[in-house]
Amino acid sequence: KQEVTQIPAALSVPEGENLVLNCSFTDSAIYNLQWFRQDPGKGLTSLLLIQSSQREQTSGRLNASLDKSSGRSTLYIAASQPGDSATYLCAVTNAGGTSYGKLTFGQGTILTVHP
Amino acid sequence: GAGVSQSPRYKVTKRGQDVALRCDPISGHVSLYWYRQALGQGPEFLTYFNYEAQQDKSGLPNDRFSAERPEGSISTLTIQRTEQRDSAMYRCASSYRNRGQTTDTQYFGPGTRLTVL
Repeated sequence: KQEVTQIPAALSVPEGENLVLNCSFTDSAIYNLQWFRQDPGKGLTSLLLIQSSQREQTSGRLNASLDKSSGRSTLYIAASQPGDSATYLCAVTNAGGTSYGKLTFGQGTILTVHP
Repeated sequence: GAGVSQSPRYKVTKRGQDVALRCDPISGHVSLYWYRQALGQGPEFLTYFNYEAQQDKSGLPNDRFSAERPEGSISTLTIQRTEQRDSAMYRCASSYRNRGQTTDTQYFGPGTRLTVL
């Protein structure tokens, strides 16, 4: 059974810092890995999707890497801003089975960026 | 365009009552997923539809939980004889389609917060 773990559980940083969020998964047979952002009272927003054949994806100040063989991914946020404060969730899509697209999530990292 | 919508946004019910949670996916999206999220945890998969066909219901906790999508669009998740442990955020997501070994981004709705007293 796929298990996804995120470290740290919570992170508090001053504005402007670069930071790294970590995600690990136990079964390397995945189609892709996604990073989501969750804001209170709102749905989850997909930030980056990395296909299993890719090693990284970038969007603005965000960069996500994937090392499929070791079961690890990192989300790098450059020059953090208070508006980045949210819960960040990592999720993988397992290969095979009947549920293409079924996501297995980690428990999330709660990020707080202080002005 | 409009995103995924869910209703009601909040539902408070007494133990033993039945509840129906509704999901309206993005127009044209073939695939629809239901997840349940406990406080402080990531969402957990419940069930998945491709068009009107329920492809996987392995995540439904027990037979009190059921879901349908009769016309391949709106979906309803029904919980019968609710229990306090059913209290959680129930989230719906849709994606355009699933093509073989690749998947499209899932778009999530705001969720329904269910509280069972």
